[in-house]
Order: sequence, then C-alpha cells, then structure tokens
Amino acid sequence: AQRVTQPEKLLSVFKGAPVELKCNYSYSGSPELFWYVQYSRQRLQLLLRHISRESIKGFTADLNKGETSFHLKKPFAQEEDSAMYYCALNSSASKIIFGSGTRLSIRP
Amino acid sequence: DTEVTQTPKHLVMGMTNKKSLKCEQHMGHRAMYWYKQKAKKPPELMFVYSYEKLSINESVPSRFSPECPNSSLLNLHLHALQPEDSALYLCASSQDMWTTSGSGNEQFFGPGTRLTVL
Repeated sequence: AQRVTQPEKLLSVFKGAPVELKCNYSYSGSPELFWYVQYSRQRLQLLLRHISRESIKGFTADLNKGETSFHLKKPFAQEEDSAMYYCALNSSASKIIFGSGTRLSIRP
Repeated sequence: DTEVTQTPKHLVMGMTNKKSLKCEQHMGHRAMYWYKQKAKKPPELMFVYSYEKLSINESVPSRFSPECPNSSLLNLHLHALQPEDSALYLCASSQDMWTTSGSGNEQFFGPGTRLTVL
C-alpha cells in the first residue's frame, strides 16, 4: 500500500535550535517525494523535492531508500519557519498522497 | 501570471442550494485538480483533469460535479450537499500529469474556497 507517515502532529523547538521533521513512506517502486508547507493564512506551496536535492530556506531533505524515510532538516530554526509541513508522495500520474502533517512551532 | 486563483473565498450554502466553485490558472498548465481539506487534515484528492478531460475521480459522490470548460478554467458544481461536506476546497494545477520527473508535475495550489453547508 502507498502511504506517507508523519509521526509528529506537533513539533515545538526554540529559535536557533535544529529542526527535524520526520517522514516515512511505503511505496513499491521509485518514489518521488516532496515537502509542502502551509504558512498561516497562505496557500499550500511546494518547499522542496527529493529529485532536485536543493536547500530551500535552509531546509534540506535526503531520501533514504533503506529506511524509507525523507526527513526534513534545518540546522537553525527561525521564527518564520512556524507552519504546517506536509510530506507527500507522488504515487503515479500525479496522484499526490499527503502525510497527516506536522505543525512546527518555533519558540522565541 | 504564476498563480492559481479561486472564487469565492468563502461560501455558505444550504443543503438544497446549487452553487459552483471556480478555479483559474494562466500558466499554460494542462492538468488541474480538486482537493478537499478538512480542518487539521491533509488535502484529499477528488478529481484530476488532464487536457480538459476527466482522468481521475476518487469515488467522489455525484453531488460534486466537476467541469473543465477550457484549459484555464476548472469548476466544481455543488448540489444537495451535506453538512459533512463543509471543508476547504483546494484547486491545483501542474504542467502535465504524466511527467514523472523534473518540475513538470509540481502542483501549484490556489488559496482555497472555505465552504460551509448548513
């Protein structure tokens, strides 16, 4: 079965602390994974994808096929990082399966 | 124009009403999507249009009727809805639903229509 699991509903860290949002997936085949972010009162938007291997707003995510994980990391959290983060899997023909989401709260 | 727009922002309707949600994009995208998002839940795919043809219907009740009049517009017609249909309805578009890598399948989301069914 194709599934995306985000075990943490809420993650609260202090400003300047490292952040890691966990994501595990279940998919038979070569997965295409994304992180989407939804800031307060803003639309859902793509943060990054595993294919591009880029760092966006200081965030990175590495696909680990052995552990079937795609954790999102940032070394030093900033207050503007507070948002809802969704890990997502592009299953086939652009059918995106979203994880349940993690709300990241950065404390000053 | 690199945005997906949706109207109205908010909609309140009774169970006997007929209303429509509209979505528009001018990015030349040929795939358009409707999602439903309940509070504190992830978006759930409802329909996918590819080149103005319905490609995916995720077993959505017939009281929701999508329509794609042209490559820039996507409508969702609503009739005889139930209170449990109250949710945020999101529209998205992508360059092409069949591209398997690169930026072609990145989905751009609209701000959503918050629907309340009384």
